[in-house]
Amino acid sequence: KQEVTQIPAALSVPEGENLVLNCSFTDSAIYNLQWFRQDPGKGLTSLLLIQSSQREQTSGRLNASLDKSSGRSTLYIAASQPGDSATYLCAVTGFQKLVFGTGTRLLVSP
Amino acid sequence: GAGVSQSPSNKVTEKGKDVELRCDPISGHTALYWYRQRLGQGLEFLIYFQGNSAPDKSGLPSDRFSAERTGESVSTLTIQRTQQEDSAVYLCASSFLIPGAAGNTIYFGEGSWLTVV
Repeated sequence: KQEVTQIPAALSVPEGENLVLNCSFTDSAIYNLQWFRQDPGKGLTSLLLIQSSQREQTSGRLNASLDKSSGRSTLYIAASQPGDSATYLCAVTGFQKLVFGTGTRLLVSP
Repeated sequence: GAGVSQSPSNKVTEKGKDVELRCDPISGHTALYWYRQRLGQGLEFLIYFQGNSAPDKSGLPSDRFSAERTGESVSTLTIQRTQQEDSAVYLCASSFLIPGAAGNTIYFGEGSWLTVV
């Protein structure tokens, strides 16, 4: 059974810092890995998707990497801003469904 | 539509009543998913539709939960005889391809917030 873990569970940083969020998964037989953002009281917004054959994806200040063999992904956020404050979720896709981690709650202070 | 649409956005119901939650996926998306998120917890998979069929309904927590999809479009999640532990946000998502397809981005709605009192 696939299990997804995210570390840290919560993170508080001052504005401008670069930061790394970690995601690990137990079964390396995945198809895709997707990073989402969830704001309080809202649904999920897709940030980046990495196919299992890829090593990384970039969008603006976000960079996600994937090491499938070791079961790890990282989300790097450059020059963090208060608007980045949210919960970040990673999800791995098996054949028929996504399995989510429990998320990292990020707070960026002005 | 432009995104995944869910209704109602909020629902308060009395214990023992039945509720129906609706999901309108992005037009043309063949795959549709329901997840549940209890307060402060992670997302639990409930059911996955490919077209109008549900090849994976392994996450439905009990026989009080059922879901259907018609016209390869709208889906309804029904909870019968609601209990307080059913209080959660119910999230619907859709994607163009099957979940395992390379590069298949999955898009979520804003959720239906259910409170059972």
